[in-house]
Amino acid sequence: DAKTTQPNSMESNEEEPVHLPCNHSTISGTDYIHWYRQLPSQGPEYVIHGLTSNVNNRMASLAIAEDRKSSTLILHRATLRDAAVYYCILRGDMRFGAGTRLTVKP
Amino acid sequence: NAGVTQTPKFQVLKTGQSMTLQCAQDMNHNSMYWYRQDPGMGLRLIYYSASEGTTDKGEVPNGYNVSRLNKREFSLRLESAAPSQTSVYFCASSEGPSGYYEQYFGPGTRLTVT
Repeated sequence: DAKTTQPNSMESNEEEPVHLPCNHSTISGTDYIHWYRQLPSQGPEYVIHGLTSNVNNRMASLAIAEDRKSSTLILHRATLRDAAVYYCILRGDMRFGAGTRLTVKP
Repeated sequence: NAGVTQTPKFQVLKTGQSMTLQCAQDMNHNSMYWYRQDPGMGLRLIYYSASEGTTDKGEVPNGYNVSRLNKREFSLRLESAAPSQTSVYFCASSEGPSGYYEQYFGPGTRLTVT
């Protein structure tokens, strides 16, 4: 099964951009790359997803490598409310790893 | 529009007791899922239902059973609870089973088995 690898934790300063990396070297051609985040004591919430092209929405941007073996979630201006665990998953696999815990410092 | 609702929010069971966790969605979604999340860990898929009338095992199905009662409701049953099943249980739904659709999650049920 395809799986993803993310750093355990990252820190950012408020109002600065954040780049959260994800490696998925065994991704299949039909796997969509999804990002979710989980705020403390809540269920995960959808952030963004893509297949091959870079994607933008009101929450974030998703940059996908040309070979699709890695991707990066970009928060353009981190706020304190963005402190959460961020999960990169391959929807064909439906497996959530441990994710990256993002800390945002004021 | 409530999204995905789960009952109960909290539950304490003794070893060997049984219980059913309820999940309902009002988004007319075809697919529904049950996950568990142990402290400090990511979510693990227990069972899923790609469409009404079908259910399939996920990563950690042992000790659980599910019922897709209708399009809206998907329940998870623990027949004989064990301390290893202490966890937070999340239900989710999506428009379809394919990798394209995002999942919507409920608020979770915190279960403790003593």
